[in-house]
Amino acid sequence: SQTIHQWPATLVQPVGSPLSLECTVEGTSNPNLYWYRQAAGRGLQLLFYSVGIGQISSEVPQNLSASRPQDRQFILSSKKLLLSDSGFYLCAWSSYYGYTFGSGTRLTVV
Amino acid sequence: GEDVEQSLFLSVREGDSSVINCTYTDSSSTYLYWYKQEPGAGLQLLTYIFSNMDMKQDQRLTVLLNKKDKHLSLRIADTQTGDSAIYFCAEMPDTDKLIFGTGTRLQVFP
Repeated sequence: SQTIHQWPATLVQPVGSPLSLECTVEGTSNPNLYWYRQAAGRGLQLLFYSVGIGQISSEVPQNLSASRPQDRQFILSSKKLLLSDSGFYLCAWSSYYGYTFGSGTRLTVV
Repeated sequence: GEDVEQSLFLSVREGDSSVINCTYTDSSSTYLYWYKQEPGAGLQLLTYIFSNMDMKQDQRLTVLLNKKDKHLSLRIADTQTGDSAIYFCAEMPDTDKLIFGTGTRLQVFP
């Protein structure tokens, strides 16, 4: 069966520090992968999506970047975090019938 | 454009029916989805409807689609306290990007 893993579950980081969030998928090959952010009290915003290794599309200009070094690995990064980067980050992969989401990472930048 | 709109809050009494509404703008979406997000968790696919259908029923859930008006609704019969969550509608235009609504926070009180 297909599973998606995201870690860490929670993270508190100081402003200006780097960030690396990892997402891995099991049980499928060549999935489309996505990073979403949910700011407090707001909906989900698509940040990045990837259709294959090394292929990243950015949806919104921002302080974050994404990479896909392996078929089933999707990484969200930042060199220097801003307060506005706080939020709930969700990784997902898609199939014909919809998306499957990871359990999310709650990032608080202080 | 790709905008999906929902009302932000809905409060219902336990045992009553809940109706969550959604409007979307991209008529090319083949599938439309409803996701549920419980506090601090990722998103769980509740149900989906193919764009050539008007209605889909799955136990306590009924999805109605008015393609002419680009209106989607989710009805939860006999609403329980465990149904309290944020509900997101989403569309998937041909680009294979899932576009979410802002989410409706459903609160069920005894």
